[in-house]
Amino acid sequence: EDQVTQSPEALRLQEGESSSLNCSYTVSGLRGLFWYRQDPGKGPEFLFTLYSAGEEKEKERLKATLTKKESFLHITAPKPEDSATYLCAVLNAGNMLTFGGGTRLMVKP
Amino acid sequence: KAGVTQTPRYLIKTRGQQVTLSCSPISGHRSVSWYQQTPGQGLQFLFEYFSETQRNKGNFPGRFSGRQFSNSRSEMNVSTLELGDSALYLCASRDGANEKLFFGSGTQLSVL
Repeated sequence: EDQVTQSPEALRLQEGESSSLNCSYTVSGLRGLFWYRQDPGKGPEFLFTLYSAGEEKEKERLKATLTKKESFLHITAPKPEDSATYLCAVLNAGNMLTFGGGTRLMVKP
Repeated sequence: KAGVTQTPRYLIKTRGQQVTLSCSPISGHRSVSWYQQTPGQGLQFLFEYFSETQRNKGNFPGRFSGRQFSNSRSEMNVSTLELGDSALYLCASRDGANEKLFFGSGTQLSVL
């Protein structure tokens, strides 16, 4: 059974204080690892897809990286508007998507 | 392009009743999947439909069922509701060639 574990569960940062979110996974035949952002009362919004170890993707203050066992979402100089829950998910060879529990990020001005 | 639309936004039911939730995908998207989100279990996959056929099913009891129509709109049905079915039900669509999911805002179901 595929498993995705995200840490920490919650993270409080001051505006401008860079940090990283972790996503550890075990999966049968990784087809892709996804990062989503979810704001309260809304559905998740797609951020990145990573396909193989060593791959990196960037968007504004966010950078996602992938190894064979984990992925990191690095947040550089975050702003209050980056506050949200960040979800990681893995897609396996059978086309099943498994989500982690998420990291709730709060950025204080 | 309009996003994924889910109706109703909120629903209150009592134990034993049944409920039907609706999802209209992004125009041109033929794949629709459903997820249950709870504070304790997070996001869990229910099922995926593509061109009116169920392609994958998660580990949920048979009380949870779905269907997809020829216009790609999808419905999800839960029969004999239990208190533990209280959750946010999310629908997501994709265009088939791309694994990127587009989610609706969900239906918040409360079972009393």
